[in-house]
Amino acid sequence: ETGVTQSPTHLIKTRGQQVTLRCSSQSGHNTVSWYQQALGQGPQFIFQYYREEENGRGNFPPRFSGLQFPNYSSELNVNALELDDSALYLCASSLGEPRSTEAFFGQGTRLTVV
Amino acid sequence: GESVGLHLPTLSVQEGDNSIINCAYSNSASDYFIWYKQESGKGPQFIIDIRSNMDKRQGQRVTVLLNKTVKHLSLQIAATQPGDSAVYFCAATNQGGKLIFGQGTELSVKP
Repeated sequence: ETGVTQSPTHLIKTRGQQVTLRCSSQSGHNTVSWYQQALGQGPQFIFQYYREEENGRGNFPPRFSGLQFPNYSSELNVNALELDDSALYLCASSLGEPRSTEAFFGQGTRLTVV
Repeated sequence: GESVGLHLPTLSVQEGDNSIINCAYSNSASDYFIWYKQESGKGPQFIIDIRSNMDKRQGQRVTVLLNKTVKHLSLQIAATQPGDSAVYFCAATNQGGKLIFGQGTELSVKP
């Protein structure tokens, strides 16, 4: 077990709705990154939060947004859900800058948009 | 843009044989590399990492080799077991930023 927990594990939403996914990072880790993994693909970087500030963003539209809290837990919010948003959403925690360190993943949230 | 690619989408080996999974990356500024194992329905599991100032690192039954000249890394699994069956991803990053993942190699171990 990595110590990174995500909730919920599964979720079904209707197109156009909004969703919030949650992540608790591993103790001592101050950086949280979110990834989207479509079936049969590698994870794609959405954004990263370091000490409550966004610290890099991938090629995702503004309807994907996030937060990091003082305890370093994090939320991913997706507005106006589209069918293509159906994927496994992964959270990874690490000890951030100035150098790269191990990034540990949670078990993911499987989002299905119908 | 930067990319990470795997040479083979699938690999089938006999139990007890050694497995080698290869990966290439495009960004010469990448300074840190991780191999992950992902089983069906689970998140990626950290296997082993290597920094750009090294060319080899060994763990328990696993070895990662890094060739910065040709921007290539490989994961070697010794005495492959049925429990090693999974999808393996390599990922590269630069100074703690985003991880760029390859597409994954599905390893099947035949008993």
